[in-house]
Amino acid sequence: DIQMTQSPSSLSASVGDRVSITCRASQSIARSLNWYQQKPGRAPKLLIFATSILQRGVPSRFTGSGSGTDFTLTIDSLQPEDFAIYLCQQSYNLPLTFGQGTRVDIK
Amino acid sequence: DVQLVESGGGLVQPGGSLRLSCAASGLTVSNNYMSWVRQTPGKGLEWVSLIYSGGATYYADSVEGRFTIARDKSENTLYLQMSSLRADDTGTYYCATVVWSDYYFEHWGQGTLVTVSS
Repeated sequence: DIQMTQSPSSLSASVGDRVSITCRASQSIARSLNWYQQKPGRAPKLLIFATSILQRGVPSRFTGSGSGTDFTLTIDSLQPEDFAIYLCQQSYNLPLTFGQGTRVDIK
Repeated sequence: DVQLVESGGGLVQPGGSLRLSCAASGLTVSNNYMSWVRQTPGKGLEWVSLIYSGGATYYADSVEGRFTIARDKSENTLYLQMSSLRADDTGTYYCATVVWSDYYFEHWGQGTLVTVSS
């Protein structure tokens, strides 16, 4: 199974900050990496698929990059509604696996 | 708009069984790749099972032989039959659509809570 490791596990930031979250795969997954946002008591919401393609309706302040084993989710100018948990997921092969999540909270 | 509504969760004793349902609207379950994903205290988000539009099914090792994914075309509903339940199966179970080309989860239900405890 491909293990996905996110860092940091949590971070504190202010509105307007730029934040970056890293996801590392235990083996190369090409660009088969997806990002989700999850708020308390809610299902995950797809943000970005195939490393860098923004899902419809997701603000352009979210960007994804990377390839192989190392990937990054960047949020430019953090907004109040962005405080949440962010999760990566590899779709290179089965079993589909997720990172453990990165909690972004208010400083 | 696509809507997925799970039901069937609840409290069950270890070794027991439960059937989860996911009623869909705005899409045809049998024409899509569909999955069950769970969120547990121990492992976080974990993919559980996948059914292709053609009917092939796949399972995580942790549930292989105990869980069965199925669908009903007339009801436009996805199911997860769970048996031999264990404490570590406790969690929130989501159904989700899977985009066939890239295997990401596009639409999610609200989840249903399964608690395995004596």
